[in-house]
Amino acid sequence: SQKIEQNSEALNIQEGKTATLTCNYTNYSPAYLQWYRQDPGRGPVFLLLIRENEKEKRKERLKVTFDTTLKQSLFHITASQPADSATYLCALGPQTGANNLFFGTGTRLTVIP
Amino acid sequence: DAGITQSPRHKVTETGTPVTLRCHQTENHRYMYWYRQDPGHGLRLIHYSYGVKDTDKGEVSDGYSVSRSKTEDFLLTLESATSSQTSVYFCAIREGAWSYEQYFGPGTRLTVT
Repeated sequence: SQKIEQNSEALNIQEGKTATLTCNYTNYSPAYLQWYRQDPGRGPVFLLLIRENEKEKRKERLKVTFDTTLKQSLFHITASQPADSATYLCALGPQTGANNLFFGTGTRLTVIP
Repeated sequence: DAGITQSPRHKVTETGTPVTLRCHQTENHRYMYWYRQDPGHGLRLIHYSYGVKDTDKGEVSDGYSVSRSKTEDFLLTLESATSSQTSVYFCAIREGAWSYEQYFGPGTRLTVT
């Protein structure tokens, strides 16, 4: 069955620096990959989607890369702020059917002022 | 939370009792999902629906059933709750066939004693 690993459970970074989160997967060939943000006690919030034929996607201070050869996605937050502190989830999905996503366990990011 | 409500938000119940969780959406989206989230496992799909009366099983469906008699409501039932079903349950919707991101409700924290 598919396996999704996010680089670490927790990542601490100084304000203003770039945070880089990793999502690795095996036994799966996703048509796309998504990143979500989750704050304590709340549901995940969609951030970005990148398709298998795309190398990079940007949205404001966020950048996602997708390497289907390495089976890896990198999620970058530039000029990080304390408000970026949250858990970030990656999710893999097929292009057919009801879009059944497979989620990683998440990385808890803390941006230190 | 994209017009998604979940009820109840918190529930404590005893082993062996039936429990029904409700997900309500206001936008008439076709696809609805039930996930559970547990430490170390991330979000796992329980059941999903692709239309009224159209449902299917997800990754962890044993011990759960669902019903969707109206577009706006998706019910998750634990027929006989067990302690292993203590979890946080999230409902999600997907806006359309070619829109792959999912939007989550606020969650229901269920404790089975």
